Amino acid sequence: EVKLQQSGDELVRPGASVKMSCKASGYTFTDYAMHWVKQSPGQGLEWIGTIIPLIDTTSYNQKFKGKATLTADKSSNTAYMELSRLTSEDSAVYYCARSFGGTTDYWGQGVMVTVSS
Amino acid sequence: DIQMTQSPSVLSASVGDRVTLSCKASQNINKNLDWYQQKLGEAPKLLIYFTNNLQTGIPSRFSGSGSGTDYTLTISSLQPEDVATYYCYQYNSGPTFGGGTKLELK
Repeated sequence: EVKLQQSGDELVRPGASVKMSCKASGYTFTDYAMHWVKQSPGQGLEWIGTIIPLIDTTSYNQKFKGKATLTADKSSNTAYMELSRLTSEDSAVYYCARSFGGTTDYWGQGVMVTVSS
Repeated sequence: DIQMTQSPSVLSASVGDRVTLSCKASQNINKNLDWYQQKLGEAPKLLIYFTNNLQTGIPSRFSGSGSGTDYTLTISSLQPEDVATYYCYQYNSGPTFGGGTKLELK
């Protein structure tokens, strides 16, 4: 069974950074890309970026360049996203989602990030 | 960036109705379009991939069609469990999601 298990919800201070994880199981991690998607409260979905673990290649939505950093650890089948210099605009739910040929067929449960002092 | 416009933003329908949701791209996306269903408090779920392919396990009352810039998700007979927000998503270039259609029961 394919599963993407994301790390727990985060409460972080403005200006800080947060790093979240997405542990994949039930498939060969390097056969698929991993997307990261943002959903602000009561809002729609935004693509943040994609990492291809096999070749450690990343691509980002221009809006999130400098904000998000995507990495992957092939030895533990885990993808990571770090968000830096957090503001209230970064308070949202963040999802990882497995992708092949563009389609994302399995999603993690989401990480809620709350930026507050 | 390719803009995806969904209409309507809110749709009220009755159980058993045939429901049609629309998604329009700002340029040709070559059928590189998926549809997702998101229920409150849950992650999005893939319904349809590459315009008209039903994802495994999804009821056959869901179908997709379209080409070029115009795409449609159809629910042939609305069920109570279909209440959700539906998003289109293009991956032809720099992936983008539509703004969503919230489907409610009348």
